[in-house]
Amino acid sequence: DIQMTQSPSSLSASVGDRVTITCRASQNIKNYLNWYQLKKGEAPKVLISGATNLQSGVPFRFSGSGSGTDFTLTISGLQPEDFATYYCQQSYTIPVTFGGGTKVEIK
Amino acid sequence: QLQLQESGPGPVRPSETLSLTCTASGGSISSNSYFWGWIRQSPGLGLEWIGSIYYSGSARYNPSLRSRVTISIDTSNNQFSLNLNSVTAADTAVYFCVRSPGGLIAAHFDYWGRGALVTVSS
Repeated sequence: DIQMTQSPSSLSASVGDRVTITCRASQNIKNYLNWYQLKKGEAPKVLISGATNLQSGVPFRFSGSGSGTDFTLTISGLQPEDFATYYCQQSYTIPVTFGGGTKVEIK
Repeated sequence: QLQLQESGPGPVRPSETLSLTCTASGGSISSNSYFWGWIRQSPGLGLEWIGSIYYSGSARYNPSLRSRVTISIDTSNNQFSLNLNSVTAADTAVYFCVRSPGGLIAAHFDYWGRGALVTVSS
């Protein structure tokens, strides 16, 4: 299986901050990398697919970059509704696998 | 707007079978453009893909669970289901039903249910 390693596992930030989350794959996955936002009690939401493609309805402050093994999710100007846990996922091959998550908390 | 809703009988005893159903509304699961699947989230394993099924009934499973999992689809009722047998406490998790676009089994998941907590306990 392809291992996905996210860092950091948690971070504290303030409204308006720029936040960066990284995800590393154990092998080359080209651009088959997706990002999700999870909040307790809510249906998870896909933010970005194909490493850089912002999903419909997702605010432009979210952006993704990277290819191969190293990827980044950036939130430019953190908003109160962005406090959540974020996961990366590779869709290069099955079994698709997820990173361990990054919890974004209020400072 | 597609909505997915998980439902199930509640707590499960060790060694028994966990059964969940996902009902889709606002869209048909008979489309040849999507796979329908299950993902679980547990404290120990994080997010884990369980398996996915096509409208035709063709399914693929995570090798880590393949020996215990069956996913089935009922297009007449717009539902698909998960059966996981011989459960242990390690199967305690929130189970999500999901959709994958593009007719690819390895893809992102563009719609999720809210999740159903299943506890395995005697």
